[in-house]
Amino acid sequence: EPEVTQTPSHQVTQMGQEVILRCVPISNHLYFYWYRQILGQKVEFLVSFYNNEISEKSEIFDDQFSVERPDGSNFTLKIRSTKLEDSAMYFCASVRENTGELFFGEGSRLTVL
Amino acid sequence: AQSVTQLGSHVSVSEGALVLLRCNYSSSVPPYLFWYVQYPNQGLQLLLKYTSAATLVKGINGFEAEFKKSETSFHLTKPSAHMSDAAEYFCAVSPTTSGTYKYIFGTGTRLKVLA
Repeated sequence: EPEVTQTPSHQVTQMGQEVILRCVPISNHLYFYWYRQILGQKVEFLVSFYNNEISEKSEIFDDQFSVERPDGSNFTLKIRSTKLEDSAMYFCASVRENTGELFFGEGSRLTVL
Repeated sequence: AQSVTQLGSHVSVSEGALVLLRCNYSSSVPPYLFWYVQYPNQGLQLLLKYTSAATLVKGINGFEAEFKKSETSFHLTKPSAHMSDAAEYFCAVSPTTSGTYKYIFGTGTRLKVLA
């Protein structure tokens, strides 16, 4: 069964460093998402992406964050200058149009020291 | 706008007892509703989903949920708890109308199963 894949599974970085989290959505899906889950807290929406542009973003998704789909398969989340509070599990998800069912990846755990 | 409320951040049941995890939603349009389970240090696994077909939805691992529009609820149940059910459970809502299909998650309920 097709699945959403994410790399890396775990990344440790120093505060102020740039981080890129990568996702390969399911191939025939059209909408792509990033969610974040700080340890012990709920899953929070960050951004949705459709037709090569951001369709919606939350207030969490400030200027330090960016997303792109550089080659038609990968979907990346970049954090320009990481802060301690960016430590979280980041989930990528994708959806086929008209079904509403999101398929989530296994997540990338980011630890900022 | 959509929102989800999960009553009870922690629920404890004895092994073999009924599991009931509560979820109430608010939505300005007919919703899709989902339950996800998360085991420690793992990702989100879909348990079941309501997408406007049958109101009683059966999922994996013996779980089921009933969509009650009049009560705006989508509670998750399992007749007999197993030790392996201990995990965090998240309810989520998504609009059925076209758009971003953004999920809104509840705050989660941590289920503890007592031997």
